[in-house]
Amino acid sequence: DTGVSQDPRHKITKRGQNVTFRCDPISEHNRLYWYRQTLGQGPEFLTYFQNEAQLEKSRLLSDRFSAERPKGSFSTLEIQRTEQGDSAMYLCASSDLALAGGSDTQYFGPGTRLTVL
Amino acid sequence: DQQVKQNSPSLSVQEGRISILNCDYTNSMFDYFLWYKKYPAEGPTFLISISSIKDKNEDGRFTVFLNKSAKHLSLHIVPSQPGDSAVYFCAASALNDMRFGAGTRLTVKP
Repeated sequence: DTGVSQDPRHKITKRGQNVTFRCDPISEHNRLYWYRQTLGQGPEFLTYFQNEAQLEKSRLLSDRFSAERPKGSFSTLEIQRTEQGDSAMYLCASSDLALAGGSDTQYFGPGTRLTVL
Repeated sequence: DQQVKQNSPSLSVQEGRISILNCDYTNSMFDYFLWYKKYPAEGPTFLISISSIKDKNEDGRFTVFLNKSAKHLSLHIVPSQPGDSAVYFCAASALNDMRFGAGTRLTVKP
């Protein structure tokens, strides 16, 4: 199976701790996205990368959130000083958008469920 | 601001009948629309999409209709099967911005 993978699938942490999630996109997909999903809502866009370049990060929820994709392959999302309100499902998606303005079908991973106690 | 809305949080249909899921959007810049299906404890799975230059796209039992003037799209599933029971999200995309609705939980009863 060469779909999007995420690790860990579940994370329980105490308030104030830092957490880091990993996403491995579909091989050779040039775009990688991070979303947050809370109960009863659809995925909420956080940030995305075109290869290793982070092209949009204004919608990261606060300066406690950061993401990297250093080699244009896997990506990490870090949340520093976690708060209870950060508890959610964090989803990663990837796509192969060859042309700017072209159709962008994103394929999602299984998500990482974060619980902040 | 909710630029994509799914006003029905749930829908129940009988097996073999048609399921119609609706979605409205407000941003006229959206030019690509998608439907995703989500089972519990899994990420959304891509189902079907439509470009704004079309008004219909069909894939097997799934058909998506787009009414640009009304800023409305719908997903038709016919015939519905119990395995279709899931949460369905519509999404709308413009350049690098994709927005999702809150989802509709479809239950197909045997």
